[in-house]
Amino acid sequence: NAGVMQNPRHLVRRRGQEARLRCSPMKGHSHVYWYRQLPEEGLKFMVYLQKENIIDESGMPKERFSAEFPKEGPSILRIQQVVRGDSAAYFCASSPPRATWGETQYFGPGTRLLVL
Amino acid sequence: DQQVKQNSPSLSVQEGRISILNCDYTNSMFDYFLWYKKYPAEGPTFLISISSIKDKNEDGRFTVFLNKSAKHLSLHIVPSQPGDSAVYFCAASTGANSKLTFGKGITLSVRP
Repeated sequence: NAGVMQNPRHLVRRRGQEARLRCSPMKGHSHVYWYRQLPEEGLKFMVYLQKENIIDESGMPKERFSAEFPKEGPSILRIQQVVRGDSAAYFCASSPPRATWGETQYFGPGTRLLVL
Repeated sequence: DQQVKQNSPSLSVQEGRISILNCDYTNSMFDYFLWYKKYPAEGPTFLISISSIKDKNEDGRFTVFLNKSAKHLSLHIVPSQPGDSAVYFCAASTGANSKLTFGKGITLSVRP
């Protein structure tokens, strides 16, 4: 059973360009979460999606950031007009359908975005 | 407003001894707590979890203790091994399938 897959692992963009980060959840998992880790910080929640639905986007910056999880294919985190402050590690996590109690999230290896 | 706090940035222990990693939280709505281990340039790896109806959960060398009245949890690793050297994150959530709130992490170094 393959784990959570993310690509690319490293991404370099110049200021003003667009960054697209992809995440394929574990087999059987229908819930996807995106987190961002800035240097010397913990992971910060960005958005929670199920297939074709955004469930919680309370951690997403209001501008330039968007996320989707289409019926077919991976989840995409899109950052338009990147700025140097977007440089960070972006992690995707997935979990199975709703359980009766807390459900563990399993993380991918991350995409390290560097904005020049 | 940091709802999950790991106040010690680092811990160094001798191989074979016990490692105790602490975590405090402020949000009384948290009911599920997790510990993750992270190596550089990798994603967090799930270690162990505990729900708020329990005060202890054990898995091999790892034990997590939860003190709800003090809003405190701890991860015990015994015996510690050099391969345990990594950054450990405490995380919490409210209910099933909800976002995780992470602490800043603690760097554990296990000396041979």
